[in-house]
Amino acid sequence: SQQGEEDPQALSIQEGENATMNCSYKTSINNLQWYRQNSGRGLVHLILIRSNEREKHSGRLRVTLDTSKKSSSLLITASRAADTASYFCATEGAGNTGKLIFGQGTTLQVKP
Amino acid sequence: DAGVTQSPTHLIKTRGQQVTLRCSPKSGHDTVSWYQQALGQGPQFIFQYYEEEERQRGNFPDRFSGHQFPNYSSELNVNALLLGDSALYLCASSLDYARRDTEAFFGQGTRLTVV
Repeated sequence: SQQGEEDPQALSIQEGENATMNCSYKTSINNLQWYRQNSGRGLVHLILIRSNEREKHSGRLRVTLDTSKKSSSLLITASRAADTASYFCATEGAGNTGKLIFGQGTTLQVKP
Repeated sequence: DAGVTQSPTHLIKTRGQQVTLRCSPKSGHDTVSWYQQALGQGPQFIFQYYEEEERQRGNFPDRFSGHQFPNYSSELNVNALLLGDSALYLCASSLDYARRDTEAFFGQGTRLTVV
């Protein structure tokens, strides 16, 4: 079963705009990770945020984590057509080292 | 440095047959996990191997089995294939399953179609 719920399921924006995706989960976690998947192929790791962290940045990506609300958000700033992909959040549960539980993903389309 | 490699990339099998998928982890990684991703869904954890032993298992029937070799490569075997086994099978490698907060590197996957 899926741990996470992602919102929205699909998002369409223009190049240059910001994209925000949200993820909620149900149980205590060690960390939360965001992945990108192009055209149903392999997953590319974007960023990992630990349970004791609240915000993390990597290039145009900004991730926040609110453990009290069991939710996270991924912000992609100044989006590009190449950002078109599916984005998944995945949680590593407390005590479950290495096992990732994924949400259903957000499909992002960035129009040139 | 080669990343995670999976073979084959595509496979078509008939119901009731058996299939073996292969994965070579990223250099230096000793832990391999397998995931099943149905169309339009997020990946679901099948099991994880470390030191040639299955360490964790998801909610999958015994028809799904695996193996890890001394060189850390791994195989996923599925017996008595069902139409519902059609999916993208992803292999992920990481360093030391017991270490928290480790990044998992994924292969490009094997697309299995059961007809």
